[in-house]
Amino acid sequence: GAGVSQSPRYKVAKRGQDVALRCDPISGHVSLFWYQQALGQGPEFLTYFQNEAQLDKSGLPSDRFFAERPEGSVSTLKIQRTQQEDSAVYLCASSARTNQPQHFGDGTRLSIL
Amino acid sequence: QKEVEQDPGPLSVPEGAIVSLNCTYSNSAFQYFMWYRQYSRKGPELLMYTYSSGNKEDGRFTAQVDKSSKYISLFIRDSQPSDSATYLCAMSATRQGAQKLVFGQGTRLTINP
Repeated sequence: GAGVSQSPRYKVAKRGQDVALRCDPISGHVSLFWYQQALGQGPEFLTYFQNEAQLDKSGLPSDRFFAERPEGSVSTLKIQRTQQEDSAVYLCASSARTNQPQHFGDGTRLSIL
Repeated sequence: QKEVEQDPGPLSVPEGAIVSLNCTYSNSAFQYFMWYRQYSRKGPELLMYTYSSGNKEDGRFTAQVDKSSKYISLFIRDSQPSDSATYLCAMSATRQGAQKLVFGQGTRLTINP
């Protein structure tokens, strides 16, 4: 596709359920990032992949958060045993290579009831 | 204290006015500086991307970086109602593996016809 695609756009889950969020980066982009954006705040970094290698996961808030990019293209962010504080917009971004501009998808809006 | 500080506004100006948005930062390792525009329920859209200090102009938009003062600005000339959005500043360091963007809180801007 022309841009970064994320699915689903909206996800509602009950507290304690597991969720999986998908990101399709721009074709050929080597770097992929996940960010979390709380209401009224700027995005905050979660994790970074270069191809299939996860080079930085320092922003993941707990071990309930897990991300993968097994073939160096599509990535999935998984949240286990969701809690209310996990409610946020999860943004995915990709860039062609190191230190190139990051381009964002429209995010997945996650609501935990 | 946050690494990147940005006045959240809201900022409201009449159509045609010159708008000035700015951010300050504390981390001297930042070398790449960006401005993103975010419409409601959409992902951040890259407006300006600059490396190190100096000015960059693109149409009605001018970005300025002053590394000595740790201060960046975005100017919008001849503002239009379609410029109404949240503007996010973002920055990153150049070290390999330090590709994550650090964002300001965002400034909500309204251009009144």
